[in-house]
This record gives sequence, C-alpha cells and structure tokens, in this order.
Amino acid sequence: TQLLEQSPQFLSIQEGENLTVYCNSSSVFSSLQWYRQEPGEGPVLLVTVVTGGEVKKLKRLTFQFGDARKDSSLHITAAQPGDTGLYLCAGDRGTYKYIFGTGTRLKVLA
Amino acid sequence: NAGVTQTPKFRILKIGQSMTLQCAQDMNHNYMYWYRQDPGMGLKLIYYSVGAGITDKGEVPNGYNVSRSTTEDFPLRLELAAPSQTSVYFCASSWGSSGNTIYFGEGSWLTVV
Repeated sequence: TQLLEQSPQFLSIQEGENLTVYCNSSSVFSSLQWYRQEPGEGPVLLVTVVTGGEVKKLKRLTFQFGDARKDSSLHITAAQPGDTGLYLCAGDRGTYKYIFGTGTRLKVLA
Repeated sequence: NAGVTQTPKFRILKIGQSMTLQCAQDMNHNYMYWYRQDPGMGLKLIYYSVGAGITDKGEVPNGYNVSRSTTEDFPLRLELAAPSQTSVYFCASSWGSSGNTIYFGEGSWLTVV
C-alpha cells in the first residue's frame, strides 16, 4: 500500500505549456515536501509546506498544501526544458520518518 | 562541501552474497535514512536512525540490516542478496525537525545477478 499517490505518473508537454502534478493521501501529514530528481543524482528539495491551505511560489512553480493536510499540488507555469525531471512529494507524519510518493516523470519538449 | 557520501557507486553481486553500503555525513545531522529506488519509481524507506545507537524499520526492511555507532556513519548491510534487491540505494540525512531538508547522497547502483 502506497501512502502517497502521485498523478500523473508520466507527463510529456511542449515548452510554454502549464501543468499540475498532484500528491494525494488518506493520511494527515505534519509537513509535506516536494523534491526534483535528475538522472543519476539524488533528489533535491524544492519546497516545504507545513500549514493547511498554504501556498508557496518558487519562480514559475506554485505549491499548495490541502486544507486538511492530506494532499498537495505542484503547478508549473510556462514549462521549460530545464524543468524536465522526476518530481517527488514526501510527507512527514510527525515522526520525522519521511515517506515518498510514487513520483511524476516530467518531460518538457523544446 | 562533502555533505552525504556513499560508497560504492556501483556494485554487482551474485545471488547469496553479502555486502555493506557505506554512508557518512559531515553535517552533524541527528537523522539518517536509507531509501531504495526502483527504475522510474519513487523512494521506499528501508531503515532510519534518530541518533547514534538508535535505528528503526521503514517501509521495506526485509533483507537489510543497519547500525549507527556514530553520528556520522550509517552503513546498510545486505545479507544473502536476491535479484529483488537490484535497485539504486540512497542514503540521506536531516536535522530531524518536521519540515527540515533531507540531504541525499549521490546513490549506489546495485545489481544482483
């Protein structure tokens, strides 16, 4: 049983398009993080959200934590080839035992 | 700027062999983690440690063992390797407070044949 489900699993879009990636769970999380991973490397943190309903922006990336702290979304505006990678959400249920989602592999075509 | 260092980077094991993946961090982090990542998938937590002498199981601990004798080191032991353990293994560390950044090593590619 996967605690954190991400959708879509794969996404291939043209440069300049917008997209949204979802991270869903039936469990409540103390905090939720988004990471991006490039081939041959470990994941790198993009953002942490801790408050229900919280919205954070990182340039063209907008992250939202659900009101009930069970889900999150990542929206990318005007995607660029440099956004290509594996996007992972990770949740902490207050035990500092971070559980990762199933991942969304994004490819942005020039 | 060492951060989290894993060795070896690549290893091929025969079924039934044993080996240890080494992990060291120089950030004085209390928490350390071992994850495995199968091709194209997310990460699954194998074991984690909240400090020297304290370890606990994650989502997929079977077939693995860990120890944490110092703050810096967190080796992962594979006993009686099986093809299902073919994966990329990531060691990571953090301060441990909720929402803190998890810093990852570069990964160890393990193939069991």
